Amino acid sequence: AQTVTQSQPEMSVQEAETVTLSCTYDTSESDYYLFWYKQPPSRQMILVIRQEAYKQQNATENRFSVNFQKAAKSFSLKISDSQLGDAAMYFCAYRRLGGGSNYKLTFGKGTLLTVNP
Amino acid sequence: NAGVTQTPKFQVLKTGQSMTLQCAQDMNHNSMYWYRQDPGMGLRLIYYSASEGTTDKGEVPNGYNVSRLNKREFSLRLESAAPSQTSVYFCASSEGLAYTDTQYFGPGTRLTVL
Repeated sequence: AQTVTQSQPEMSVQEAETVTLSCTYDTSESDYYLFWYKQPPSRQMILVIRQEAYKQQNATENRFSVNFQKAAKSFSLKISDSQLGDAAMYFCAYRRLGGGSNYKLTFGKGTLLTVNP
Repeated sequence: NAGVTQTPKFQVLKTGQSMTLQCAQDMNHNSMYWYRQDPGMGLRLIYYSASEGTTDKGEVPNGYNVSRLNKREFSLRLESAAPSQTSVYFCASSEGLAYTDTQYFGPGTRLTVL
């Protein structure tokens, strides 16, 4: 079974600085997808960034980028120029290929990010 | 365009009571999902509906039933609530099940079972 581990329950960063959130996963599959979701105090889940395992190039979305290390099964999220609005719980998620009854999205336990002014 | 809406926002039940959580989306999405979120844990999938007329079990389906009433609505029913079902429940929808299809989440329902 796939598992997703986020080893940092809490992180803090100064406004305008850079922070990296860690995520590791365990799978025996060779192709899959990885995601980072943000959950602010409003509790809405918001997709931040996604990565296809077959792509070697790391995904980027504005101030958010990932460091995907397939062999190490590591998928970290880097937030540059941190803003107060980045404060939230961040979840790493794994999804295997396929749909229908094969659909499965596994989440880590989350990392609570605090941004200090 | 309200996105994904859920009712109620809060609910307190006694053990053994039943209730239905309602979810609706106005984005013409094909796929809909129900998750639960417990303290210190990520979201876990309860049930999902790939398209209108189909439903499938997720990771933690025991104690729940679902109905895809039409393309817009996907309800979650607890027939006999148990304290272990105290959680925050999220509904989500997406265009389809492709990984490129972003899931849009509702605001959640906080359920307490006494």
